[in-house]
Amino acid sequence: LAKTTQPISMDSYEGQEVNITCSHNNIATNDYITWYQQFPSQGPRFIIQGYKTKVTNEVASLFIPADRKSSTLSLPRVSLSDTAVYYCLVGDFSGGYQKVTFGTGTKLQVIP
Amino acid sequence: NAGVTQTPKFRVLKTGQSMTLLCAQDMNHEYMYWYRQDPGMGLRLIHYSVGEGTTAKGEVPDGYNVSRLKKQNFLLGLESAAPSQTSVYFCASRNRGEETQYFGPGTRLLVL
Repeated sequence: LAKTTQPISMDSYEGQEVNITCSHNNIATNDYITWYQQFPSQGPRFIIQGYKTKVTNEVASLFIPADRKSSTLSLPRVSLSDTAVYYCLVGDFSGGYQKVTFGTGTKLQVIP
Repeated sequence: NAGVTQTPKFRVLKTGQSMTLLCAQDMNHEYMYWYRQDPGMGLRLIHYSVGEGTTAKGEVPDGYNVSRLKKQNFLLGLESAAPSQTSVYFCASRNRGEETQYFGPGTRLLVL
């Protein structure tokens, strides 16, 4: 399973765009990149997933370069409610065994 | 559609006591998982199940047992609780062929 590396924490002011980068140098051909968001005292929540290039949904964008050794989660115009821990996961989850390593994630603090 | 629910929300145990945590999902998902999360750490997989009647060990299975007698329920048991098992426990489920895990709200367990 590909190991991921993310910044431990980030601060941002309200209204700014936030980019969180995740490194995954040994990503395998069948691996997808998935990001989860976790608020205090809650379980993680799926945000976005991608395989290559760019994926966008109503919450975020995910940018994946051609070599797929890294990915960037982009949150447009963050608000205080975006303060959370963001986890980057890499793996082939098509099978039943999902040995997922969440790591410590990136703690995003949005400042008024 | 309640998604993933967990019972109880909070529990205090004395060392040596036993208890069972219940996870229920109403999405007809094949796969279910139990994680623990300790302060400042990511989620670690305890046990998982790929279908009714099947279970397997995750990263940190020692001191825990599980059962999946019904597809919608996944039980986590502590036979003899230890202070090291003080943690927040999250249950998750996933549909076959899909990448997204759906998490429950968590159970806070304190072992004195």
